[in-house]
Amino acid sequence: GAVVSQHPSRVICKSGTSVKIECRSLDFQATTMFWYRQFPKQSLMLMATSNEGSKATYEQGVEKDKFLINHASLTLSTLTVTSAHPEDSSFYICSAPAGGPGEGYTFGSGTRLTVV
Amino acid sequence: KQEVTQIPAALSVPEGENLVLNCSFTDSAIYNLQWFRQDPGKGLTSLLLIQSSQREQTSGRLNASLDKSSGRSTLYIAASQPGDSATYLCAVRHQAGTALIFGKGTTLSVSS
Repeated sequence: GAVVSQHPSRVICKSGTSVKIECRSLDFQATTMFWYRQFPKQSLMLMATSNEGSKATYEQGVEKDKFLINHASLTLSTLTVTSAHPEDSSFYICSAPAGGPGEGYTFGSGTRLTVV
Repeated sequence: KQEVTQIPAALSVPEGENLVLNCSFTDSAIYNLQWFRQDPGKGLTSLLLIQSSQREQTSGRLNASLDKSSGRSTLYIAASQPGDSATYLCAVRHQAGTALIFGKGTTLSVSS
């Protein structure tokens, strides 16, 4: 089946630094990648949608200058949390359509970000 | 704006019991609905996908139903096992290629 590989699985960084999260589609071409954030005991909230070769579309309330998304190839999409602060600590997860229009979406394994 | 609600938020049952998890959505114009399982600190595992034209899907001990007109879906788990303990998420999609909208999930605990 279609696999999205997400790295790192866990990262701890200092306030003010930047962290890059990668999602790679291993056996299919991901023209679209969805990025979600999940706070404890909360639902997955869509942050942005990236499409290969074009600018990402951000959801209302998500700072595009803080959460930089790059989707430069059909197999790699990255999310960079810039100037991270403790309130950015969360679980970040990516997802991509992996089959035909009626198929389900496949998810990465997620990244637990802790900003200290 | 689509809202997805899952009831109950948490559920504890003894091993062997059959159980039902509920999901409701406010906008019935969905493309499909997907049920996921999430273990603590982990990613999502897809359990069942129901297209808008379908009424139910089955996989092993799991059965998901969809009543699009009333905005409801249920996930039935038969003969529950401790290994079923996890958070179960319901998500809907409006159109092909658009993002999933999630409920907050039901955290299930099955005791042996």
